[in-house]
Amino acid sequence: EVQLVESGGGLVRPGGSLRLSCVASGFTFSSYAMHWVRQAPGKGPEYVSAITGNGDYTFYASSVTGRFTISRDNSKNTLYLQMGSLRLEDMAVYYCARILYESGGSYYDHWGQGTLVTVSS
Amino acid sequence: DIQMTQSPSSVSASVGDRVTITCRASQGISSWLAWFQQKPGKAPKLLIYAASTLQSGVPSRFSGSGSGTDFTLTISSLQPEDFATYYCQQANSFPRTFGGGTKVEIK
Repeated sequence: EVQLVESGGGLVRPGGSLRLSCVASGFTFSSYAMHWVRQAPGKGPEYVSAITGNGDYTFYASSVTGRFTISRDNSKNTLYLQMGSLRLEDMAVYYCARILYESGGSYYDHWGQGTLVTVSS
Repeated sequence: DIQMTQSPSSVSASVGDRVTITCRASQGISSWLAWFQQKPGKAPKLLIYAASTLQSGVPSRFSGSGSGTDFTLTISSLQPEDFATYYCQQANSFPRTFGGGTKVEIK
């Protein structure tokens, strides 16, 4: 069974930093691209960042470029999101999501339970 | 960025009703579209990808159609467990973008 378990969320002051982790199990982690997706309270999901299976390529939403860094350790089946210079608008539940490649496209087929990041002074 | 517009934003329906949700992309995305169901406090769940392909384990009362800019999610006979919020999402280009959501409520 595919499982994704996030951790690392919490309360942080504006300008602060936080590192999220996502531990994967039930599949060959290194074979899958992974994304971080966030959801602010009462809002729809929002793409944050992506990384290829071997970690060679990373992508970011414009709203987090230069502040967030995605990485992975395939030996530990773990995905990371290092978040810095946090802003009030970064407050959200952060999900890691696995990418399914089908029919020429890529889709989020499994999600973790999410970890809440609260930014407040 | 590709903007995804869903309608309606909410719908009230009864068990057994047929429910249709539409999603429009601001530019053509071929069939690179997914539909998700989300219940309160839970992560989104993939229902349909490639506009019309049912994800494994999803009941056949869910169906998707469309291509280009206009897409539809249909629930043929609404069940109690289907009351939730539904999102469309384009998988054509980065950044991936989601619609604003459609809340399906009990009438």
